[in-house]
Amino acid sequence: AQKVTQAQTEISVVEKEDVTLDCVYETRDTTYYLFWYKQPPSGELVFLIRRNSFDEQNEISGRYSWNFQKSTSSFNFTITASQVVDSAVYFCALSRLDDMRFGAGTRLTVKP
Amino acid sequence: KAGVTQTPRYLIKTRGQQVTLSCSPISGHRSVSWYQQTPGQGLQFLFEYFSETQRNKGNFPGRFSGRQFSNSRSEMNVSTLELGDSALYLCASSMDRAGPGDTGELFFGEGSRLTVL
Repeated sequence: AQKVTQAQTEISVVEKEDVTLDCVYETRDTTYYLFWYKQPPSGELVFLIRRNSFDEQNEISGRYSWNFQKSTSSFNFTITASQVVDSAVYFCALSRLDDMRFGAGTRLTVKP
Repeated sequence: KAGVTQTPRYLIKTRGQQVTLSCSPISGHRSVSWYQQTPGQGLQFLFEYFSETQRNKGNFPGRFSGRQFSNSRSEMNVSTLELGDSALYLCASSMDRAGPGDTGELFFGEGSRLTVL
């Protein structure tokens, strides 16, 4: 069975702090895809990144960076110099051939 | 380019009633998937449609059903509503197959918030 665990239910930081959101997954498949989505208060999920299981290269996009480590089954997400607009619920998700699972989400609050 | 549109945004029903939710995907997208989001269970996959055919189905009872029309618009129906069906129902579309197993980006709507009294 596959599973996504986001152990951090809520995180609160002050603007300009760096913050890392953890994601640990379980799967027996060798081919799978990992995602991060952002859900602002309006409700829609906004796609942030997709990574396949064969690509462990870390990625940086502006203030966002992702660290994929198959050895620890983790796909962590770091926001550098956080801003108030980063406040949202962030979901990690795992997709394989016939199933897609989301983590429980981490609510990030960035205070001014 | 218009995003994924879901209607209605909010609705209130009573137990035993049925409800139909609508989703209009992004123009050109042929795949639509539905998710249920609740505080207790989080985001759960309901089903996925591609070219009017249900391609995948999550672990939900038969009271939950859906369909897709030739213009890719999709509806989902929940019959004999229960209190536990209160949730945010999210629709997502993608150009190729959406939902489980797909590698493409999913574009989500803002959801339909259903309250069952």
